[in-house]
Amino acid sequence: GAVVSQHPSRVICKSGTSVKIECRSLDFQATTMFWYRQFPKQSLMLMATSNEGSKATYEQGVEKDKFLINHASLTLSTLTVTSAHPEDSSFYICSAADRVDGYTFGSGTRLTVV
Amino acid sequence: SQQGEEDPQALSIQEGENATMNCSYKTSINNLQWYRQNSGRGLVHLILIRSNEREKHSGRLRVTLDTSKKSSSLLITASRAADTASYFCATDYDMRFGAGTRLTVKP
Repeated sequence: GAVVSQHPSRVICKSGTSVKIECRSLDFQATTMFWYRQFPKQSLMLMATSNEGSKATYEQGVEKDKFLINHASLTLSTLTVTSAHPEDSSFYICSAADRVDGYTFGSGTRLTVV
Repeated sequence: SQQGEEDPQALSIQEGENATMNCSYKTSINNLQWYRQNSGRGLVHLILIRSNEREKHSGRLRVTLDTSKKSSSLLITASRAADTASYFCATDYDMRFGAGTRLTVKP
């Protein structure tokens, strides 16, 4: 089946620094990828829809300058959390549209900003 | 607002019992998917049902879809402790998720 690799799985960074999270579709091309944020014991909140070769579409209330999304190829989308603050600490998950199985999710990245 | 809404929000059963959870959605769809999430992990795709299908099986999972009521149900038969997780539905219309159903299967 389709596989989406998300890296890193865990990251700890200092306040004010930037962190990049990668999402790769390993055995299929994904023109569309999604980025989510999840707080403990809560559901996934869609942050943005990433389209290859064009600007991402952000959900209402998500700061596009804070959460930079780049979908430069059909197999890679990146989310950069810029000038991270403790309130950005969360679980970030990506997913990619696979024509056969629907949507495949990465294993998530736990970001801790100290 | 999210497309898929799961019900109930929490469900606790004994091992061996069946678990049923429901999903309602708002717009016309081409397909609906069910996912499982273990605590602190990514989502695992369980099953996809297309709008022209009424029922689909995969192992111990049975999914139904009623497009006239804009609802779907996921049945897990002969549940196991390892089935303890949160379950979510999503449609191809958008990929927003509801609160999910938190299933606890007691050994």
